[in-house]
Parts: sequence; C-alpha cells; structure tokens
Amino acid sequence: SQKIEQNSEALNIQEGKTATLTCNYTNYSPAYLQWYRQDPGRGPVFLLLIRENEKEKRKERLKVTFDTTLKQSLFHITASQPADSATYLCALHFNDYKLSFGAGTTVTVRA
Amino acid sequence: DAGVIQSPRHEVTEMGQEVTLRCKPISGHNSLFWYRQTMMRGLELLIYFNNNVPIDDSGMPEDRFSAKMPNASFSTLKIQPSEPRDSAVYFCASTETGETQYFGPGTRLLVL
Repeated sequence: SQKIEQNSEALNIQEGKTATLTCNYTNYSPAYLQWYRQDPGRGPVFLLLIRENEKEKRKERLKVTFDTTLKQSLFHITASQPADSATYLCALHFNDYKLSFGAGTTVTVRA
Repeated sequence: DAGVIQSPRHEVTEMGQEVTLRCKPISGHNSLFWYRQTMMRGLELLIYFNNNVPIDDSGMPEDRFSAKMPNASFSTLKIQPSEPRDSAVYFCASTETGETQYFGPGTRLLVL
C-alpha cells in the first residue's frame, strides 16, 4: 500500500530564513500533489497543487517542487515569518477524488 | 461564501450513545468528504460522496459508522453506539473541481 512520509514532526527556524519541508511517498506516483496548512483548532486550508508533469510551482513566498523519480515533493517557505507557524500537510491524489494525507510537519518560526 | 459549515463544533457524550455530526458543503460543490483526525493516525478519509451518492466508504471503520447525503446541501455522519476510541476531530470537506478540497472547522468529539 502507498506510504506517505513527511520529514520530522517539527521544524523550528529563525524569522527570515527558509523552511524546507519534505514529502516522500512509495510505490506509484500520484497524478498530482497538494500542500495544505492547518492551524490549531481549524481545518486544513489549501495552499498549492502541483501536477506530475510540473517540476515547480510558486505562490508568493511559497514554492513546491515535485520529483517523480525521487518520489518526493519539497515545500519551501522563503523569508519566513512568525505568522507562517502552523502544521503543513502534503496530500497525494491517486484516483477518483480521494486524497491521502501525510502526518504533517509543524513549523515554528521564531521572531 | 460561508464556507463548509459543520455542527456541532464540540460534542461530549457517553459511551453507547448515538452521535450525529452534520455538514453543509459549499454551494455548487458536487463532492463531499468525511475525514477523521487523531494524533496517532493523522487525517483519514472515511467516506466520500459525488452528486449525493456514496462512492467509496472503505475508510469507514466499522458498522457503527454510517453516513448519508440526502441532498446537495446536507450530509450526516452517525456513530451508533459510540465508543471512547471514536474520540477525534471529524472534518467535512467539499470540492467543485475534484482537486482542491475545502474543509470545515471540524467537530471535536469526546466519548467518555
């Protein structure tokens, strides 16, 4: 069965630095991959989607890469701010409308 | 748009009682998903509907769980009888495109 791994449960960084989160998966590659942000006590919020034929996608200070050879996606937050502190989830789409979510990485940005 | 609406936001009940969680998807969205989130297992898909029809309920843990979608604007997830291990946050999400999912605020369920 498909396994999704996100690097380290927690990531602590200094304000202004770049946070890099990893999402690895096993077996076959998804049609597309998404990243969501979740704040405590709230539901996940969509951030970015990248398709299997795309290498990179950007949105403001966020950047996502997708390497189907390595079976890995990287999520970067550049010029990080304390407001970026949250849990970030990667989600893989394989068929129909189903998404499989990773366990998430909690990012804390220190001022 | 009000977004996905879930009720109640918090539910505390005793083991053996029936629990009903409610969801109103975003208007115009044709697919609806129920998820459960725990520290141990993360975010798990329980069931999803497309055009009010259940498409995949393979994530429903057991027969104590049931879900319905009588119309495009309303869905319920019922647990009967509830057990302490059902304690979790239950999310409802909807989508129009089949890609981006929009999540509700969740229902925090505690079964004593």
